Amino acid sequence: GDSVTQMEGPVTLSEEAFLTINCTYTATGYPSLFWYVQYPGEGLQLLLKATKADDKGSNKGFEATYRKETTSFHLEKGSVQVSDSAVYFCALRDQNTGNQFYFGTGTSLTVIP
Amino acid sequence: SAVISQKPSRDICQRGTSLTIQCQVDSQVTMMFWYRQQPGQSLTLIATANQGSEATYESGFVIDKFPISRPNLTFSTLTVSNMSPEDSSIYLCSVEDLGRGGEKLFFGSGTQLSVL
Repeated sequence: GDSVTQMEGPVTLSEEAFLTINCTYTATGYPSLFWYVQYPGEGLQLLLKATKADDKGSNKGFEATYRKETTSFHLEKGSVQVSDSAVYFCALRDQNTGNQFYFGTGTSLTVIP
Repeated sequence: SAVISQKPSRDICQRGTSLTIQCQVDSQVTMMFWYRQQPGQSLTLIATANQGSEATYESGFVIDKFPISRPNLTFSTLTVSNMSPEDSSIYLCSVEDLGRGGEKLFFGSGTQLSVL
């Protein structure tokens, strides 16, 4: 069945460091891929998405490229800020399996000044 | 976009009791979703709440344990019945925005439940 495997955390970085959070997926069809972010005390919100192979989603300096050959959707940011401290969830949606969203376990990021 | 208010934000309950979680959306939505996030695990869909019909439950979840109400297009409740410590989890309400490209979920801030 469909699933998402996400890099375990927690991750602690210094401000302006480079961030990578790995995400790989298993799907029967051609899913849409997402990164959601949950800031402290708030609900999950969509950060970026990509709907087909080689698409790049980007938002707030974060990027992720849909790599079909490696079934991956790694999240990257060149220079993190303290305000990026949050929990990040990778997710997929596969129309072949009823349109349900499948989420990873979440990766907690703390950025220290 | 949609703004979701979920309450309570957290609760500590005794074994064998029930807790009802409320979810209020600031706009009318067709489907509302209830997720569970157990410690160290991914979000798992419990059920989809449709207005005017029975909720649709995912494998492993049953109506007797997680009854859902959906009285109108902006409100839903999830009850966790006859609780045990294994029900300790974060419960999340969610709706989908099908406009402007769709496939965008909005979430409440969650209910953190601890069962003693």
